[in-house]
Amino acid sequence: NAGVMQNPRHLVRRRGQEARLRCSPMKGHSHVYWYRQLPEEGLKFMVYLQKENIIDESGMPKERFSAEFPKEGPSILRIQQVVRGDSAAYFCASSQRLANTGELFFGEGSRLTVL
Amino acid sequence: AQSVAQPEDQVNVAEGNPLTVKCTYSVSGNPYLFWYVQYPNRGLQFLLKYITGDNLVKGSYGFEAEFNKSQTSFHLKKPSALVSDSALYFCAVRDIEKLTFGTGTRLTIIP
Repeated sequence: NAGVMQNPRHLVRRRGQEARLRCSPMKGHSHVYWYRQLPEEGLKFMVYLQKENIIDESGMPKERFSAEFPKEGPSILRIQQVVRGDSAAYFCASSQRLANTGELFFGEGSRLTVL
Repeated sequence: AQSVAQPEDQVNVAEGNPLTVKCTYSVSGNPYLFWYVQYPNRGLQFLLKYITGDNLVKGSYGFEAEFNKSQTSFHLKKPSALVSDSALYFCAVRDIEKLTFGTGTRLTIIP
């Protein structure tokens, strides 16, 4: 039973380019979460999505960042016009309904480096 | 909003000694509390959770945590540390439909 799959594992971009990070949840999970981990900092919640719906985007920066979870295919976190401060590890997690199971399953992360 | 605090950035423990990683919480209502572990360059792995019931919760790899309502704490413990326990540990609380994490505690077990 495959876990949460994230790709790419490592991504290097120059300032001003776009970064696209993909996440396939565990089989049977319809809830996806994105978190960001900055060096020497904890995990910061970014966005929570269900299929075709953004449920909570309170942690997303107002500009340049967007997320989607289409009916078919993986969830995508998109960062436009990247800046050096976007360099971080981005983790995706999935669950069945959190209120019922109480547990998130994490992917291995995508590490973005902005030159 | 619900939150957790991990007061120690770094904890060092000699191999074979008991270990404690501290976590305090601030919630409205009943807390749903979690511990996760992160090994280098990996994602987070679930260790244990407290939802309701016994205050002492047992989890993976011999870890346990004690829920203390009067002290609003949920400390992670293990009776005898292994070198392989060296990792980054996160406490978390359920906040409506997401988990909010603490800043993490780096545990180093010294051989």
